[in-house]
Amino acid sequence: DAGVTQSPTHLIKTRGQQVTLRCSPKSGHDTVSWYQQALGQGPQFIFQYYEEEERQRGNFPDRFSGHQFPNYSSELNVNALLLGDSALYLCASRRPGSQETQYFGPGTRLLVL
Amino acid sequence: RKEVEQDPGPFNVPEGATVAFNCTYSNSASQSFFWYRQDCRKEPKLLMSVYSSGNEDGRFTAQLNRASQYISLLIRDSKLSDSATYLCVVNVGNYGQNFVFGPGTRLSVLP
Repeated sequence: DAGVTQSPTHLIKTRGQQVTLRCSPKSGHDTVSWYQQALGQGPQFIFQYYEEEERQRGNFPDRFSGHQFPNYSSELNVNALLLGDSALYLCASRRPGSQETQYFGPGTRLLVL
Repeated sequence: RKEVEQDPGPFNVPEGATVAFNCTYSNSASQSFFWYRQDCRKEPKLLMSVYSSGNEDGRFTAQLNRASQYISLLIRDSKLSDSATYLCVVNVGNYGQNFVFGPGTRLSVLP
């Protein structure tokens, strides 16, 4: 049973560019959340997708957008990259309809130069 | 005030020591609580859920005090392999959609 997978593992971009990160949830999971983790900090909630819709959003600008596909996989898009967007981007999934915890993918490490 | 606060750390302890981590949260509507462990340059992994009655898993004991909005994690007989950052996590949402992480406390267990 594959866990949460993310691609790519590492990415280098320059300011102003756009980036798309991808996530496949754990089998049987239908809810996907995205987090940004800056160096030395805990993960910060970006948004969550369920039934192909954004259900809740954290305190991130509109430059951060996402999508969920019918197979529950998800994309995170960031436009007009800033140096401060350099971070580890984590995807997490969980089973439907419960308060149980989430399982994280290995993350995508983004460096903006 | 941050939603979830933790001991600033780092904690440097010898093998075999007992170490306790503290966490406080500000949202009284928080519904579920967890401790995650994160190794350097890896993703967070669930260590244990935290229940109101307290719970134990081997050398690890978690406690929750809803009245004080306080969570703790106790590690007994520390091992070198326990070296990691420990993240306190609070779920505020009704549908599990809002997991708020503390900044983490780094633990180094020394030989």
